[in-house]
Amino acid sequence: LAKTTQPISMDSYEGQEVNITCSHNNIATNDYITWYQQFPSQGPRFIIQGYKTKVTNEVASLFIPADRKSSTLSLPRVSLSDTAVYYCLVGDMETGRRALTFGSGTRLQVQP
Amino acid sequence: DAGVTQSPTHLIKTRGQQVTLRCSPKSGHDTVSWYQQALGQGPQFIFQYYEEEERQRGNFPDRFSGHQFPNYSSELNVNALLLGDSALYLCASSRSSNYGYTFGSGTRLTVV
Repeated sequence: LAKTTQPISMDSYEGQEVNITCSHNNIATNDYITWYQQFPSQGPRFIIQGYKTKVTNEVASLFIPADRKSSTLSLPRVSLSDTAVYYCLVGDMETGRRALTFGSGTRLQVQP
Repeated sequence: DAGVTQSPTHLIKTRGQQVTLRCSPKSGHDTVSWYQQALGQGPQFIFQYYEEEERQRGNFPDRFSGHQFPNYSSELNVNALLLGDSALYLCASSRSSNYGYTFGSGTRLTVV
């Protein structure tokens, strides 16, 4: 499984755009990049997933360069409720029987 | 549509005791995975059940065991509890044929 590297923590203020970058140098050809969000005392929640270029949904955008060795999760205009831990995962999407490998994630603190 | 339900939400046990945690998967999901999350760390994969059998296992001792019932619900059993077993235990369900994982809110186990 491709190993991922993320910053341990980030700080931001309400209304700002936050970009969290994840490095995955050993990503395989059939691997996708998935980001999860976790609030205290809750399970991780799927945010966004992509394979290449740019993916956008109602919550975030995911930018993946051509070499796919890194990815950037972009959260537009964060609010206090975006304070959470964000995990970058890399793996194939073939089945729902994959053992997910989480790193330590990025702890985002949004201040007023 | 109910998501993943875990019980109990909190539990305090004494070292050496045994504990059973329960998980009801999201409707339509047939695969259940269990994760252990220590404070400040990402979730670590324990094992996965599909068709009532353990299919994959992470690096956990055999004090950790489980079961899946015909209705797809699952139990996690931990014997001979150690102080280091104190953690948030998360259950994730999925459909074996498709990528997509839904996590429960977890059971907070404290071993004293």
